[in-house]
Amino acid sequence: DTGVSQDPRHKITKRGQNVTFRCDPISEHNRLYWYRQTLGQGPEFLTYFQNEAQLEKSRLLSDRFSAERPKGSFSTLEIQRTEQGDSAMYLCASSLGGADIQYFGAGTRLSVL
Amino acid sequence: EDKVVQSPLSLVVHEGDTVTLNCSYEVTNFRSLLWYKQEKKAPTFLFMLTSSGIEKKSGRLSSILDKKELFSILNITATQTGDSAVYLCAVINGSSNTGKLIFGQGTTLQVKP
Repeated sequence: DTGVSQDPRHKITKRGQNVTFRCDPISEHNRLYWYRQTLGQGPEFLTYFQNEAQLEKSRLLSDRFSAERPKGSFSTLEIQRTEQGDSAMYLCASSLGGADIQYFGAGTRLSVL
Repeated sequence: EDKVVQSPLSLVVHEGDTVTLNCSYEVTNFRSLLWYKQEKKAPTFLFMLTSSGIEKKSGRLSSILDKKELFSILNITATQTGDSAVYLCAVINGSSNTGKLIFGQGTTLQVKP
């Protein structure tokens, strides 16, 4: 069990560029979550997958954000036309269906210049 | 709207002190409350509480839930410098099919030698 892994750990980009992050959940976990955390705040829910189906999206997820989980394994989160306000830590978590405990990855820290 | 409030926001203590962190919540249909510890990496799970009055304990850490007064506390006895971290409290609304976590803003604990 290697835990939840996220790649890259850090991303620096210029405003207007597109970025993509990857999350590999714990292998048998069918539930996958994306959260965003800004400095001094707790994580905020962005979106949820059960297997390959995206079942909930927060209103925080503007149309510049898209997430996928093909084949119900790894997930990607893409941000198009990045803005400085997108600078944050993007956390991925996974859980086994029916269990409340979520296991988090170390996150991808995005800095938009 | 579901809400979690943690206090204090930050705390500085010396090794050996005992600390109490507070978490109050408002949720339309309470299912569970979770505590996480976040150092400069992935939030790591500490406790999950679902029933009032039953203390969960792990080493020097313990936590209890009061569903009538809508709060939980996390106690750390004989603090060590390794306890320095952000402690996050989160709740799950049982009406949600996703199990998403609703976090407070976190308490930053610094333990000085």
